[in-house]
Amino acid sequence: DGGITQSPKYLFRKEGQNVTLSCEQNLNHDAMYWYRQDPGQGLRLIYYSQIVNDFQKGDIAEGYSVSREKKESFPLTVTSAQKNPTAFYLCASSIGPLGEQYFGPGTRLTVT
Amino acid sequence: EDKVVQSPLSLVVHEGDTVTLNCSYEVTNFRSLLWYKQEKKAPTFLFMLTSSGIEKKSGRLSSILDKKELSSILNITATQTGDSAIYLCAVEANTGNQFYFGTGTSLTVIP
Repeated sequence: DGGITQSPKYLFRKEGQNVTLSCEQNLNHDAMYWYRQDPGQGLRLIYYSQIVNDFQKGDIAEGYSVSREKKESFPLTVTSAQKNPTAFYLCASSIGPLGEQYFGPGTRLTVT
Repeated sequence: EDKVVQSPLSLVVHEGDTVTLNCSYEVTNFRSLLWYKQEKKAPTFLFMLTSSGIEKKSGRLSSILDKKELSSILNITATQTGDSAIYLCAVEANTGNQFYFGTGTSLTVIP
């Protein structure tokens, strides 16, 4: 079955450590996205990639980094520079930049 | 296993029709339910519901939560072609940073 996987479901880190969240898709989609969901707020776009080896900052990219070395993978690194890293992180992909987005199950990151 | 199920998966209506989209959930320690509209860009936040029986309205859109039935509906009256989108439902668990997203209902409004 095609889909998007994110791992792990729950992640705990100490403050000051970088942490990388995994996002893999086998839908052969060109575009991939990372969002952050906080309580009481809408989804906010962190980074997106329209094609391999290319990515752009979203609305809240500070403190995050990404890479897109393979079509099926779009890992997100939450760096120690991110002031409020504790959140629910959602990955999505679409056939093209304007296509319907398919969402992964999400990763809940807790930084203490 | 916690989950959110939306129905129908897709819907085609004519302009002017009223539609009702459904979201049911099985989530431990429910905290809130959110509705989004996803067009050809990032999802747009519509409503957040926390209390049962209280309707939230924004123009032609309204939504209500039924905690007893573990469900919510999103109503759109006098639909327009601009309402064509995928409508996503998400439920927040009481842990504060855990959300469960449904797969969405694709609405197409034809002139």
